Amino acid sequence: GESVGLHLPTLSVQEGDNSIINCAYSNSASDYFIWYKQESGKGPQFIIDIRSNMDKRQGQRVTVLLNKTVKHLSLQIAATQPGDSAVYFCAEISSDSGTYKYIFGTGTRLKVLA
Amino acid sequence: DTGVSQNPRHKITKRGQNVTFRCDPISEHNRLYWYRQTLGQGPEFLTYFQNEAQLEKSRLLSDRFSAERPKGSFSTLEIQRTEQGDSAMYLCASSLGQGRANSPLHFGNGTRLTVT
Repeated sequence: GESVGLHLPTLSVQEGDNSIINCAYSNSASDYFIWYKQESGKGPQFIIDIRSNMDKRQGQRVTVLLNKTVKHLSLQIAATQPGDSAVYFCAEISSDSGTYKYIFGTGTRLKVLA
Repeated sequence: DTGVSQNPRHKITKRGQNVTFRCDPISEHNRLYWYRQTLGQGPEFLTYFQNEAQLEKSRLLSDRFSAERPKGSFSTLEIQRTEQGDSAMYLCASSLGQGRANSPLHFGNGTRLTVT
């Protein structure tokens, strides 16, 4: 399949280590945020979301942290596995802006080293 | 599989030809989106439907692009007089939303367009 994101920032981590992927979002009015994982040749796959009334949300092996003060979002993956290798995107949307479009960041490629 | 389905997966066409892509969203989802993605970039918003109504279009969507969702179910995206710059992955996504409440977009695997 075709590679996604040939020139993206890349994070390389050892298998079993924790990964932290960061995202700076653009709109201070954004109140809903989503992390997606995209593997080569596939569409983005939902991982976890968070609303602006929360600072932290946990899923299975993943945690999302939201810092509204500095407009920063992070995705933490515990015990990174080879199957986690992919490009990760954050997306934001504001419920009160009158627009329905989710805005995506440029993405980070995660490489898991055996 | 009850996810979002897109057809075709790949389309190669010559410059100047018209192409049409189809998206079948998750059946109970009332919202449908088209995005475009080029290498090294995140998805870029093209247009949005709530049921059969097209409520928003990006300025990226030139008059050569048209999208429909005739019965509030499947959608088509047509590009007329294709140009090499139209080469990209075209992604469709759907979600279930009420009022201003937002929910995750569920994406299909896209249609890869190559204009030669």
